[in-house]
Amino acid sequence: AQSVSQHNHHVILSEAASLELGCNYSYGGTVNLFWYVQYPGQHLQLLLKYFSGDPLVKGIKGFEAEFIKSKFSFNLRKPSVQWSDTAEYFCAVNPYSSASKIIFGSGTRLSIRP
Amino acid sequence: DADVTQTPRNRITKTGKRIMLECSQTKGHDRMYWYRQDPGLGLRLIYYSFDVKDINKGEISDGYSVSRQAQAKFSLSLESAIPNQTALYFCATSDLTGGYSPLHFGNGTRLTVT
Repeated sequence: AQSVSQHNHHVILSEAASLELGCNYSYGGTVNLFWYVQYPGQHLQLLLKYFSGDPLVKGIKGFEAEFIKSKFSFNLRKPSVQWSDTAEYFCAVNPYSSASKIIFGSGTRLSIRP
Repeated sequence: DADVTQTPRNRITKTGKRIMLECSQTKGHDRMYWYRQDPGLGLRLIYYSFDVKDINKGEISDGYSVSRQAQAKFSLSLESAIPNQTALYFCATSDLTGGYSPLHFGNGTRLTVT
């Protein structure tokens, strides 16, 4: 079955540390890829998306993600985190063959120590 | 951001009661979705609708029904609520290209079934 794996359930970092959150998916065809962020008490918001072209995509608030097709991965990165990045992060995959179905990972909770 | 509005924000109900969660949007999007979020499980799709006359089951539709009253309104019903339907429910919209366009989420409805 198609799935999206986020292996880090909870990550704790200090301010200014570098961040990398893993995302792997199991679908073998062409996909669209997303990272969403959910700040405490708020709804999900789009951080960045990949449809085609340059596999390194930049999003809001200094986040970026790299699509590595051979590894079925779309890891999220930020060089220097801030306390305000404390949130839950969700990777999502939309297979081209299923325009309606967007599959979410289980999420990674990021806690930043001030 | 009131583009996607969900009511109520919080609801506590008893087992066996019928309950309706409502969603309205001002984004003019054709596609609307209902997801539920459970800790450690991410978001799972309950139902989705491509237009007023189109309703589709998602991965966890059992125990739920929906109604698309207008392009802007999409309601979710629990005919006979049970405790394992306790969750955070999100409505989302996207434009006509579905997965090629990101989802826009409402603020969520926290439902507790006792």
